[in-house]
Amino acid sequence: NAGVTQTPKFQVLKTGQSMTLQCAQDMNHEYMSWYRQDPGMGLRLIHYSVGAGITDQGEVPNGYNVSRSTTEDFPLRLLSAAPSQTSVYFCASKGGENYGYTFGSGTRLTVV
Amino acid sequence: AQSVTQLGSHVSVSEGALVLLRCNYSSSVPPYLFWYVQYPNQGLQLLLKYTSAATLVKGINGFEAEFKKSETSFHLTKPSAHMSDAAEYFCAVSVWTSYDKVIFGPGTSLSVIP
Repeated sequence: NAGVTQTPKFQVLKTGQSMTLQCAQDMNHEYMSWYRQDPGMGLRLIHYSVGAGITDQGEVPNGYNVSRSTTEDFPLRLLSAAPSQTSVYFCASKGGENYGYTFGSGTRLTVV
Repeated sequence: AQSVTQLGSHVSVSEGALVLLRCNYSSSVPPYLFWYVQYPNQGLQLLLKYTSAATLVKGINGFEAEFKKSETSFHLTKPSAHMSDAAEYFCAVSVWTSYDKVIFGPGTSLSVIP
């Protein structure tokens, strides 16, 4: 059972470039979320989804897009990378409301 | 607005000593509360959760936490620290607004001294 798989693990982008962070889960979880983790700030919610075809914005959605065409996949797209988007990104999934999250191992992104 | 505070960004304990990591929350409705652990270069792992059943919650790796409504606290404890407990610990609160919003605290880094 792989859980939540994120790729890539590391990425360096130049300002203005775009890219997609991949996230896949094999637990048939309906809920999936993207968080970014920055030192001293805990985790902040970027976007979330409560099922295939349903997505919505979290606390810090600007500069990011998501889609959820299948239950398994929840990619995060950076439209035009900025240095402020340098962070560690975590994808997480859970089986229902008020369940605990299962997290992926993260993507460390640096924008130069 | 809901929020989570963790007293002490860094805590050091000796191996075998009591571990106490503090978490206080604010919520206008009964919350669901969680503790997560993060080891270096890994994602977060669920330690335990409170969902209004028992106020004393037992989790993995010998950790437990007690929900105290009067103190709006959910402190994490372990009777005897192991070297392998060195990690970052996050308290989180889940409150239903327009969706199941999970708010994480800033984290507490635990060091265990041999």
